Parts: sequence; C-alpha cells; structure tokens
Amino acid sequence: QVTLKESGPALVKPTQTLTLTCTFSGFSLSTSGMRVSWIRQPPGKALEWLALIDWDDDKFYSTSLKTRLTISKDTSKNQVVLTMTNMDPVDTATYYCARIRGYADYNWFDPWGQGTLVTVSS
Amino acid sequence: DIQMTQSPSSLSASVGDRVTITCRASQSISSYLNWYQQKPGKAPKLLIYAASSLQSGVPSRFSGSGSGTDFTLTITSLQPEDFATYYCQQSYSTPLFTFGPGTKVDIK
Repeated sequence: QVTLKESGPALVKPTQTLTLTCTFSGFSLSTSGMRVSWIRQPPGKALEWLALIDWDDDKFYSTSLKTRLTISKDTSKNQVVLTMTNMDPVDTATYYCARIRGYADYNWFDPWGQGTLVTVSS
Repeated sequence: DIQMTQSPSSLSASVGDRVTITCRASQSISSYLNWYQQKPGKAPKLLIYAASSLQSGVPSRFSGSGSGTDFTLTITSLQPEDFATYYCQQSYSTPLFTFGPGTKVDIK
C-alpha cells in the first residue's frame, strides 16, 4: 500500500523560508520511473502544481515559482523535501505531496498525502 | 503554459441527476487529461486518467470523454457521496502540469 504524509511548520513569518517533508512508503524513489510531486491549494481556491523530482534526481518546477523552490530527495529515508524561499501571506495554503503514476506523457497524481496547512503571518 | 478552464464553476443538482462538467484546454492536449474529486478537508482523489480510463475502485457512474481541447466528466446518477469539487488536470506538457479551477457540485 502506497502512502504519503507531509510534515512541516504550521506557521511561518513573511520572508522566511518554508521547508516541508514528504515521507512515503510502499515504493522507492530509486526505482526507475518513480516520481513525486508537490501541489498546493490556498484556502477555498484551486490546486496549483509546484514541483517534481524523479528517480534519476531530475527536478522540475512551476514556471511562476521556480526561482523560489527547491526539491530534493533522501532515498534512504523515503523522503522528498520542498523548500520555498521568501514566504508571503499569499503562500498560505495546504501543501500536498503525491506520487506520479502513468506512462509516456500520460501522468496522474495518485495517491496524495493528507496535506499540511501552512499559514504565513507575522 | 497550457491554461485549463472548467464550466460551470458550480452547479446544484439532486440525487439521481445526470451531471456533466466540462474542461477546456488552451491548446490541444490530445487525451492527456485527468479528473479528480475533492471533498472538504480531504486530499483530491483520482477518478479518471487519460481522458476516459476509470481508476480502479471508482464507481462506474463516473465517466470521462473528449480529446484535443474539450473534455467532459459525466456522473450518470448522482449519489449523496458525489457532492464535492471536481478538478481536471493536463499532463500534455509533462513534466509541467496544470489544473483547472474546479467545479463545485452541491445539493439542490
């Protein structure tokens, strides 16, 4: 059974750097084809894809946020870490991690973690 | 970037109704389109992948269709547990992904 769980601070101050950890089980990110993504959702708003890391340590970022994001993995701990710099109140959101499944360019997010709410406020 | 739109943004329906939600891409995305269901306070759940393939365990009253720029999610007989928000997501521009703005289905 594949599960993912996000962890990190519930509250950060403006201009601070956010660090979130996704701890997963049921698969290994060292297995060819495996990928994990981060997605966020501001309260009452839509989902926004943020970043992806794959088994080969390739990393991809949202065009609009790539200057602020860094994604990394620790295969031995089954963890993926996302950092976001210069946090602002508009970054208040629930942050999800999810495994990417699929083939060729048919890719979908399944399953998802439960999400962690991050509030940016002084 | 590929932009996704959905219509309507919300709808009210009754149990037993047939419900259709539309998703449109800003350019052709072939059939690289997925649908998710999200209930309040919960993570999204995959319903349909590759435009029309039903995810394992998802009831057969859910179906997806379309290709190119226009897609639909249909619920043939709405059940109480189907009241939720539905999102489409394109993977044509993998590894860059885009979600639609969502369609909220609530009780009439």
